[in-house]
Amino acid sequence: DAGVIQSPRHEVTEMGQEVTLRCKPISGHDYLFWYRQTMMRGLELLIYFNNNVPIDDSGMPEDRFSAKMPNASFSTLKIQPSEPRDSAVYFCASSLAHVAGAVADTQYFGPGTRLTVL
Amino acid sequence: AQSVTQLGSHVSVSEGALVLLRCNYSSSVPPYLFWYVQYPNQGLQLLLKYTSAATLVKGINGFEAEFKKSETSFHLTKPSAHMSDAAEYFCAVSADSGYSTLTFGKGTMLLVSP
Repeated sequence: DAGVIQSPRHEVTEMGQEVTLRCKPISGHDYLFWYRQTMMRGLELLIYFNNNVPIDDSGMPEDRFSAKMPNASFSTLKIQPSEPRDSAVYFCASSLAHVAGAVADTQYFGPGTRLTVL
Repeated sequence: AQSVTQLGSHVSVSEGALVLLRCNYSSSVPPYLFWYVQYPNQGLQLLLKYTSAATLVKGINGFEAEFKKSETSFHLTKPSAHMSDAAEYFCAVSADSGYSTLTFGKGTMLLVSP
């Protein structure tokens, strides 16, 4: 498998513009996670999906952020309008649901999208 | 609720020296514990994980970690550091209860000098 695929790898945009980040999880995985990494706050979980359904979006910073998962092989994270403080590396990760008593699931991370908002 | 504390944002060692990265966790249920490594400009990669089986866990690249319930610790070690080990290391905790999210520590940057 190619692993988790994210695009674009780098995005530079101007304040106020809409930004869309894309993620293709590992085939067969039924959990998908979006994280944000900054020097100040470290790695933060923004939202995660199970079987394409958003389960917990409490980490989404504000209404400017939205995420969708229209099918099992694709997810987007959108920021509209973008602000300089949104500059960060955004990671997508996927995992398999674990069965009670079996091995805990491992999250597999994509290479990330480095977003710079000017 | 669960949390992870990584002691030391930066650790410096010489090539060939012992590597010790510290991680303490807090969890209200039996935890699952993970160590991930992040090389520059890359995503996180799993090094090893503890899932309530053997308390000493061996991972990739010669790393290992020992789960100590009495100390609520899961420290990462490697007997002899290599230059290629220079990276950021993250400890994470999850629980086998319902949806399994990971709570990450702040990370420890490992610097290896010749």
